[in-house]
Amino acid sequence: DTGVSQDPRHKITKRGQNVTFRCDPISEHNRLYWYRQTLGQGPEFLTYFQNEAQLEKSRLLSDRFSAERPKGSFSTLEIQRTEQGDSAMYLCASSLAWASSTDTQYFGPGTRLTVL
Amino acid sequence: AQTVTQSQPEMSVQEAETVTLSCTYDTSESDYYLFWYKQPPSRQMILVIRQEAYKQQNATENRFSVNFQKAAKSFSLKISDSQLGDAAMYFCAYRTLLSGGGADGLTFGKGTHLIIQP
Repeated sequence: DTGVSQDPRHKITKRGQNVTFRCDPISEHNRLYWYRQTLGQGPEFLTYFQNEAQLEKSRLLSDRFSAERPKGSFSTLEIQRTEQGDSAMYLCASSLAWASSTDTQYFGPGTRLTVL
Repeated sequence: AQTVTQSQPEMSVQEAETVTLSCTYDTSESDYYLFWYKQPPSRQMILVIRQEAYKQQNATENRFSVNFQKAAKSFSLKISDSQLGDAAMYFCAYRTLLSGGGADGLTFGKGTHLIIQP
């Protein structure tokens, strides 16, 4: 299967700790997205990359959050000084986008973060 | 900012019957895309169907079809011949054609939990 993969699938951490998640997109997809999904809600957009460039960041992405996609392939999302409110499912999606087309986003299984 | 509303937190349908899930959205744009995604329990989100706003013809994918009413800003999903495997959360999502300003991500509704009764 060559779909979007995320690691780890589950992460439990104590408040104040730093955590890092990884996303491997579908091979050759040039766009990569991060979303956050809390219980009973739809996913909320956090940020996205076109190749290695981070093009958009939502207001939801506080200064404690940072995302990278250093070589335009996999991406990492780091949360520093975690808070209980960060507990959520973090979803990654990738797409192959041309200049004037819409891109269909393919989602990974998510990383479920629990902050104690 | 665009908003997406799914007014049915939960729907139940008998196996083999037809069910319609509602979605409305608010936008000032004329060109955009709409999607329905399915999220089975503990499994990843899967695209069910998509609709380009400039197309008048409603999209269909096998047992899944949409009723797109642009003027009413309505985008409902019809599932025919419901199967047990259709049980999932269904999310309606909007995507602008404009770039920048945080507009490139999908805007999702809160979802509808679909239950299939055997």
